[in-house]
Amino acid sequence: GEDVEQSLFLSVREGDSSVINCTYTDSSSTYLYWYKQEPGAGLQLLTYIFSNMDMKQDQRLTVLLNKKDKHLSLRIADTQTGDSAIYFCAESPYNQGGKLIFGQGTELSVKP
Amino acid sequence: DTAVSQTPKYLVTQMGNDKSIKCEQNLGHDTMYWYKQDSKKFLKIMFSYNNKELIINETVPNRFSPKSPDKAHLNLHINSLELGDSAVYFCASSRDQRYGYTFGSGTRLTVV
Repeated sequence: GEDVEQSLFLSVREGDSSVINCTYTDSSSTYLYWYKQEPGAGLQLLTYIFSNMDMKQDQRLTVLLNKKDKHLSLRIADTQTGDSAIYFCAESPYNQGGKLIFGQGTELSVKP
Repeated sequence: DTAVSQTPKYLVTQMGNDKSIKCEQNLGHDTMYWYKQDSKKFLKIMFSYNNKELIINETVPNRFSPKSPDKAHLNLHINSLELGDSAVYFCASSRDQRYGYTFGSGTRLTVV
């Protein structure tokens, strides 16, 4: 079946690193994504990783993929108050018309 | 501005009414989607169209009817609104899997 799980809340201090974890079930997913949603706004694509990679770095963001355990993480270095938002992990199962299956979202709170 | 735009941003209506939400994208994407985000922030796909053709219809009540007059537009019509339809509805479009989706800013529907 298709299921994506994330923890619901994470609180960090400004300047610390944040790590948001996600597990997924569909091993056919070719791409896995991280989206950010600020209050009252739509979702913004932060980064994606192709399923044959195990790491991708993009400025302050590092994505790690453990395909064997179906575990995905997003690390935000030097977290800022502007990073406070809900972060969604999503998988795109193969041959399902581009459908995305989202996790419940992790609310990141950054304290000064 | 290149974007996915949806109107209206807010919609408050009484039970039993019929309403429409419009979505337009000027990104030249072939595929468009409607997602529903409930009060717990959970996102679930409702419909997907590729070049005006319905490709995903995800067990949505038939009171919901999408219409795609051309590949840049995907509208959502809802008949006989119920209290449980209250949610934020997001339109999105995509070029291909690598690039994920571009989301609109959402329509907050409140049924009273």
